[in-house]
Amino acid sequence: TQLLEQSPQFLSIQEGENLTVYCNSSSVFSSLQWYRQEPGEGPVLLVTVVTGGEVKKLKRLTFQFGDARKDSSLHITAAQPGDTGLYLCAGAVINFNKFYFGSGTKLNVKP
Amino acid sequence: GAGVSQSPSNKVTEKGKDVELRCDPISGHTALYWYRQRLGQGLEFLIYFQGNSAPDKSGLPSDRFSAERTGESVSTLTIQRTQQEDSAVYLCASSNYGYTFGSGTRLTVV
Repeated sequence: TQLLEQSPQFLSIQEGENLTVYCNSSSVFSSLQWYRQEPGEGPVLLVTVVTGGEVKKLKRLTFQFGDARKDSSLHITAAQPGDTGLYLCAGAVINFNKFYFGSGTKLNVKP
Repeated sequence: GAGVSQSPSNKVTEKGKDVELRCDPISGHTALYWYRQRLGQGLEFLIYFQGNSAPDKSGLPSDRFSAERTGESVSTLTIQRTQQEDSAVYLCASSNYGYTFGSGTRLTVV
């Protein structure tokens, strides 16, 4: 059983479209992170959110942490082929000593 | 070093053999983590080191898996008597606040 459920699992869109990826749990997290992973590489940290209701923007990416700190979303505006990859959310439950990862959303942006 | 280094990058081994996977963390990062990623899946936590002690080994799937760490430096993950279900990418991360991952070791048990 996954602690964090991500949806959708797969997403294939055209360049220029917008998309949202969701990360949900019944557990409360002290912090939540989003990573992007390309084939043959380890995940790379995009953002960390720690406050319920927090919104962070990173160029065309907008990250939101739910008010109850149980869920998060990643919104990409005007997707580009370079955004293609596996997007993973990860939550720290209590004391930061480890993060639990979702199963990921595989995004393919077609030119 | 500048990043987390893992070796080997690829390992093919016969069922029943032992393997050792190595992780060199970022200098100064006291926390080190091992995760396993099966094809198309998310990351499965294996073990966490704080310095050279392992306060959380809860993710090790069986007693065939063990890990050690020398001081606040290199860590080795050992899998004894490998099985086909051990085939996966083994990722190491060191942490200051967010994780910095290595590129992983792709283990294939044939």
